[in-house]
Amino acid sequence: SQKIEQNSEALNIQEGKTATLTCNYTNYSPAYLQWYRQDPGRGPVFLLLIRENEKEKRKERLKVTFDTTLKQSLFHITASQPADSATYLCALDAGSGTYKYIFGTGTRLKVLA
Amino acid sequence: DAGVIQSPRHEVTEMGQEVTLRCKPISGHNSLFWYRQTMMRGLELLIYFNNNVPIDDSGMPEDRFSAKMPNASFSTLKIQPSEPRDSAVYFCASSSSTDTQYFGPGTRLTVL
Repeated sequence: SQKIEQNSEALNIQEGKTATLTCNYTNYSPAYLQWYRQDPGRGPVFLLLIRENEKEKRKERLKVTFDTTLKQSLFHITASQPADSATYLCALDAGSGTYKYIFGTGTRLKVLA
Repeated sequence: DAGVIQSPRHEVTEMGQEVTLRCKPISGHNSLFWYRQTMMRGLELLIYFNNNVPIDDSGMPEDRFSAKMPNASFSTLKIQPSEPRDSAVYFCASSSSTDTQYFGPGTRLTVL
């Protein structure tokens, strides 16, 4: 079955720097890969989706890359701000034609002022 | 737009009691998902419905868990009898496509 690995250790970076979070998977390459943000005490909030035939997707200060050869997605936040501090989850679809997604355990990001 | 609504937000119960969690999806969404989140296991999909029909319940831990979706605007997740290891945050999410899922605020369940 699909296994997703996200760095379980918290990532601390200085305000203004670029934060880079990693999502690795071990089995089949998904058709869709999503990134969500989760704040304490709240549900995850959708940020970006990237398809298997896309190498890169951008939205404002966010950028996601998808390398099906390395079985890896990178999530970048440029010009990071303390308000970007949260846990970031990646999610992979469980198979073509399904609405089912498998989530990673998330990486906690803290942006220091 | 009220978003996904879950109730209760917090539930504390004793082992052996029945627990019912409720969810109202976003109007017009045809898929509904129940997840459980713990520190150890992260966010796990329990069951999902499409057009009110259960499509995949392979994530439901055991027979103590059951879920229903009697209509497009309401779903329940029931645990009977509850056990301490069921303590977690339970999320409901809804979607209208294979893309974005919209999550509710969650129900924090504590079983003593």
